[in-house]
Amino acid sequence: AQSVTQPDIHITVSEGASLELRCNYSYGATPYLFWYVQSPGQGLQLLLKYFSGDTLVQGIKGFEAEFKRSQSSFNLRKPSVHWSDAAEYFCAVGETYKYIFGTGTRLKVLA
Amino acid sequence: GAGVSQSPRYKVAKRGQDVALRCDPISGHVSLFWYQQALGQGPEFLTYFQNEAQLDKSGLPSDRFFAERPEGSVSTLKIQRTQQEDSAVYLCASSLRGGTGTGDYGYTFGSGTRLTVV
Repeated sequence: AQSVTQPDIHITVSEGASLELRCNYSYGATPYLFWYVQSPGQGLQLLLKYFSGDTLVQGIKGFEAEFKRSQSSFNLRKPSVHWSDAAEYFCAVGETYKYIFGTGTRLKVLA
Repeated sequence: GAGVSQSPRYKVAKRGQDVALRCDPISGHVSLFWYQQALGQGPEFLTYFQNEAQLDKSGLPSDRFFAERPEGSVSTLKIQRTQQEDSAVYLCASSLRGGTGTGDYGYTFGSGTRLTVV
């Protein structure tokens, strides 16, 4: 069965530091992969997506993610974190119309 | 509209009460989805509509949950005889395309309805 694992429940970084959020997936075919961000009381906003082609994907707000088939990973990165990036981040794998989400990583940013 | 609109934003229901949650998708979007997000968890799929047709309801937890989209636009998720375990945020999302291509574009989510059953 398809699944998504986000090993880190909480991550704390200082403003200006780099960030990497981990995501591992289990899927039989080439997956559609997504990263979403959720601020408190808000819905999910799409940061970036991967379908095929270049394995390094650029998204909004300065985020990028790299698809590594050999590691079944799709880690999210940002070179310099801003205080406004504090939120919860969800990785998801898409199978046609249905998405399977990880349990999320809550990011805290220290001033 | 410009985004996916959900109402109410918050709903408190007494156990056993029926509730109805509304979703207004982006105009022209073919696909509509409902997800349930329990506290501290990621969203979990409930059901999928392509226009007015409910093509997948495999995620609905019980027969107390019912969803409809009669005219292919607005959708309502109804929960009968609410239980405490129904407390969650209910997210609606829409997507421009339908069928196997739906995943290509990514969903647009609404802000959700937070249901608390007391």
